[in-house]
Amino acid sequence: QQQVKQSPQSLIVQKGGISIINCAYENTAFDYFPWYQQFPGKGPALLIAIRPDVSEKKEGRFTISFNKSAKQFSLHIMDSQPGDSATYFCAATYTGTASKLTFGTGTRLQVTL
Amino acid sequence: DVKVTQSSRYLVKRTGEKVFLECVQDMDHENMFWYRQDPGLGLRLIYFSYDVKMKEKGDIPEGYSVSREKKERFSLILESASTNQTSMYLCASSFGGTPDTQYFGPGTRLTVL
Repeated sequence: QQQVKQSPQSLIVQKGGISIINCAYENTAFDYFPWYQQFPGKGPALLIAIRPDVSEKKEGRFTISFNKSAKQFSLHIMDSQPGDSATYFCAATYTGTASKLTFGTGTRLQVTL
Repeated sequence: DVKVTQSSRYLVKRTGEKVFLECVQDMDHENMFWYRQDPGLGLRLIYFSYDVKMKEKGDIPEGYSVSREKKERFSLILESASTNQTSMYLCASSFGGTPDTQYFGPGTRLTVL
């Protein structure tokens, strides 16, 4: 049962372009939506996160856009760089679940020169 | 810096063997998690623990068991390894509370022949 659907599975973007990864969720109890970034040979690491009381959160070149009514959220990477090449996972959780995360299936991003 | 270490980066075992994967965290975190990561399936939770000697099943516990005798150590056990358990296994820990961040180890690539 896939509670968080992520797309696309893979993405190739030119250096300087905008990378966009989309996620959709089903469980309306979810109240925290983090994104994790994973480089080859490493474990995932928290990149940025949002709560549903705001529609957008920006940290440097990374922005989360959140649409509560549509139950969708997306990660935008502005001015994408080769160093951003990694696998990105969206996730969701809700208060009282002992921090259990439900992850999307991941997006492999490649930023070309 | 939070450090989560896993006992092996690569492991090759035979079908039917008993396999132990060890995870240690050094930040006095309450919660610990075991995931498996497979292409196209993302990260799937096997088991988690929110306290010493406490454990809860995740989404795919079949064929696995866990042990948490000390707060810093969380072990994943494959009682009788099978080829469909060939995968990347990731351990994570978190402090707890809301919101919470999971910190991942580098993973163990297990191959069952």
